[in-house]
Amino acid sequence: DIVMTQSPDSLTVSLGERATINCRSSRSVLYTSNNKNFLAWYQQKPGQPPKLLINWASTRESGVPDRFSGSGSGTDFTLTISSLQAEDVAVYYCQQYYNTPLTFGGGTKVEIK
Amino acid sequence: QLQLQESGPGLVEPSETLSLTCTVSGGSISSSSYYWGWIRQPPGKGLEWIGSVHYSGSTYDNPSLKSRVTMSVDTFKNQFSLKLNSVTAADTAVYYCARPSRGQTNDAFDIWGQGTMVTVSS
Repeated sequence: DIVMTQSPDSLTVSLGERATINCRSSRSVLYTSNNKNFLAWYQQKPGQPPKLLINWASTRESGVPDRFSGSGSGTDFTLTISSLQAEDVAVYYCQQYYNTPLTFGGGTKVEIK
Repeated sequence: QLQLQESGPGLVEPSETLSLTCTVSGGSISSSSYYWGWIRQPPGKGLEWIGSVHYSGSTYDNPSLKSRVTMSVDTFKNQFSLKLNSVTAADTAVYYCARPSRGQTNDAFDIWGQGTMVTVSS
């Protein structure tokens, strides 16, 4: 199985400041034939299902604010919230879909300072 | 707009079989060649992929569940189902059904049901 490790476990950031979440995979999730990273980011608010934010490591889903961005390749990835808003308080998860079993990171809780 | 809704018992006794159904509305479960997914989340914990099922009957499941999983599709009812046998307290979780964004097994999930809480207890 590909193990996904997120850091930090939790993050407290002031409104308007940058939040950075890291995700590392135990093996590369870069599919070399098409140069795509099989890595997604989700946001989960209390009592709600996860919401897909970013696909292919850096492609924002339709309707996702552009303050959310994804970067990285191979085994190391980052989700950045450029200017934290109150509505961004949530737990964020990365997920690899390079192969089955599909696996998720342990989550990073983002709170307001 | 496609929507998913899980249903099933909220309480299951240990050693019994957990059975859940996901009803798809706003689209046909068999009109596109999708693998429909099940994911679970124990209280206060992270997400675990259980498996995915195609309307043809093809399935992929997580080996961590040690072959306890059975998945199926009912195209007439526009539903897909999950059965997990020999449950223990460790199977207590919110269970989600979800649609993969490209329809494939190796995929991210862009549409989720609201989830249903299942507690394993006597």
